[in-house]
Amino acid sequence: GAGVSQSPSNKVTEKGKDVELRCDPISGHTALYWYRQRLGQGLEFLIYFQGNSAPDKSGLPSDRFSAERTGESVSTLTIQRTQQEDSAVYLCASSRGAAGHYNEQFFGPGTRLTVL
Amino acid sequence: AQKITQTQPGMFVQEKEAVTLDCTYDTSDQSYGLFWYKQPSSGEMIFLIYQGSYDEQNATEGRYSLNFQKARKSANLVISASQLGDSAMYFCAMRGNNAGNMLTFGGGTRLMVKP
Repeated sequence: GAGVSQSPSNKVTEKGKDVELRCDPISGHTALYWYRQRLGQGLEFLIYFQGNSAPDKSGLPSDRFSAERTGESVSTLTIQRTQQEDSAVYLCASSRGAAGHYNEQFFGPGTRLTVL
Repeated sequence: AQKITQTQPGMFVQEKEAVTLDCTYDTSDQSYGLFWYKQPSSGEMIFLIYQGSYDEQNATEGRYSLNFQKARKSANLVISASQLGDSAMYFCAMRGNNAGNMLTFGGGTRLMVKP
């Protein structure tokens, strides 16, 4: 498909376990974003990748959260030692680039993480 | 810092009528962009409309229009001729020059269209 894809769609884990969430951006999109959406709330920015530049990690809530991106392709978001407050939908988005405000971000379907 | 405020947690509208969803923002950036997204119960985020801070005309996309009042820092979404399929969460978001390239989102408004 041509859209942003994320896997898994659902993840249930036990408190204290590590999880990895995957995002495949739209081909050719140099910018990739991770957001978190808690139940009934808006999206919170987590991290942003643009090409080969250093990522903007300013939204990561703690050092348990990290993300990597290989070139301009797949990204993985890792949460170590998960806590119950990490339960949320994690959304990935990609866009063509950073220039200008109007770079529409295309969102994936999200990964729903539940920490028991 | 940027902030988006959506003061209506929930709204009802009768099918075929128009509805306005409120959005106010705060930023120190001189140049910025404002976005509206729709999130149905299935969870995907669907881009609806964009307004640039220097655009002189209000943006329109089909049944969607953005009532941009720069001096008041408001960017309300107007949906004309509501349809049952418009029932969803609606999020206002902003992207500025100095705050990085991420979007800052409001808390959302749940719109329910009554038949």
